[in-house]
Amino acid sequence: DAKTTQPNSMESNEEEPVHLPCNHSTISGTDYIHWYRQLPSQGPEYVIHGLTSNVNNRMASLAIAEDRKSSTLILHRATLRDAAVYYCILRDPEGSARQLTFGSGTQLTVLP
Amino acid sequence: DGGITQSPKYLFRKEGQNVTLSCEQNLNHDAMYWYRQDPGQGLRLIYYSQIVNDFQKGDIAEGYSVSREKKESFPLTVTSAQKNPTAFYLCASSVDRVPYDYGYTFGSGTRLTVV
Repeated sequence: DAKTTQPNSMESNEEEPVHLPCNHSTISGTDYIHWYRQLPSQGPEYVIHGLTSNVNNRMASLAIAEDRKSSTLILHRATLRDAAVYYCILRDPEGSARQLTFGSGTQLTVLP
Repeated sequence: DGGITQSPKYLFRKEGQNVTLSCEQNLNHDAMYWYRQDPGQGLRLIYYSQIVNDFQKGDIAEGYSVSREKKESFPLTVTSAQKNPTAFYLCASSVDRVPYDYGYTFGSGTRLTVV
């Protein structure tokens, strides 16, 4: 399985942009990059996913490096409600083991 | 609104008992999944099902069983053979349309405690 590496924790100030990095140097051509976040005692929430091109939605933006060996989740204006564990996950929808495999994620703290 | 409903939210089990956790979705998703989460850790896959009447073991299937008789439902039974069942259990679903990829939708979880 292709693996991802994320910092254990990050801090951000409220109302400032947040850039959450993820390294995936062994990514394959058919792996999609997924981001989920989880608040305490809740189920994970889908944030965004992409394959090659940068992606934007109402929650965040996903910037994918040209060689696809790294990506960055961008929260444009952090709020206190964005404090959560953020998971970066690779998924091959055509692979024999194409289920989401969660690592330990990045704990984002948002300071008021 | 479409979504996934897990019940109950909290469940207490005596040692030696089997318990069943419910998961229902009205999203018309093909695939469904069960994950387990222990305190301070990431999610681990227990079982998954890509179509009705078919399911596959995940990384930690021992002591668990599932069924998929209907597209909307994927109940998980925690049997007495599961040595350490106290955990947070999460159900998820997704569209399965290879080669395209879609995000997962998760339920709000069931917290199981053995007493």
